[in-house]
Amino acid sequence: DIKMTQSPSSLSASLGERVTISCRASENINNYLSWYQKKEDGSVKLLIYHTSRLQPGAPSRFSGSGSGKDYSLTISGLESEDIATYYCQQGYTPWTFGGGTKLELK
Amino acid sequence: QVQLKETGPDLVQLTQTLSITCTVSGFSLTTYNVHWVRQPPGKGLEWMGAMWNGGGTDYNSAFKSRLSISRDTSKSQVFLKMNSLQTDDTAKYFCARHWKFGAFDYWGQGVMVTVSS
Repeated sequence: DIKMTQSPSSLSASLGERVTISCRASENINNYLSWYQKKEDGSVKLLIYHTSRLQPGAPSRFSGSGSGKDYSLTISGLESEDIATYYCQQGYTPWTFGGGTKLELK
Repeated sequence: QVQLKETGPDLVQLTQTLSITCTVSGFSLTTYNVHWVRQPPGKGLEWMGAMWNGGGTDYNSAFKSRLSISRDTSKSQVFLKMNSLQTDDTAKYFCARHWKFGAFDYWGQGVMVTVSS
């Protein structure tokens, strides 16, 4: 199985700050990388798929990049509604997720 | 609009069988694949298995011997059944729709299941 390693596991940032979360796969996943936001209410939302494609409805301050084994999610200016836990996921069976990054307000 | 909703028990006894139903609307199970994902308290997301639009299934080998996924297309429902439950099966169970490039674009709210001894 492909192992996904996400960093950091937690992150404290100020409103308006640029935030970056990293994800590394144990092998080349050919850009089949998605990012999800999970809020305290339990809802899960797809933000980015295929490394950099913004899911309709996701705010444009979210962007993704990367290739091969290494990928990242960037929030260009943190807003209060972005406080959540973020997960990366590789898109081959068996699907696997990163351990999550809990984003908090500083 | 697209919706998925999980229904199932809050509490299951140790060694018993868990049954959860995912009822979908806004799309057809014969067009889209549906996955099951779980999240134990304080832990990450774990993919369990999938129901393909053609009727086949795929399972995480970690569950293969005790997990079964099926569907009723006439009712737009996908079923998860897992036997021999242990306390570490306590988790929130989600169903999600398969999108492009291996992403899951819509998720249910999940159902929290506690395995009790």
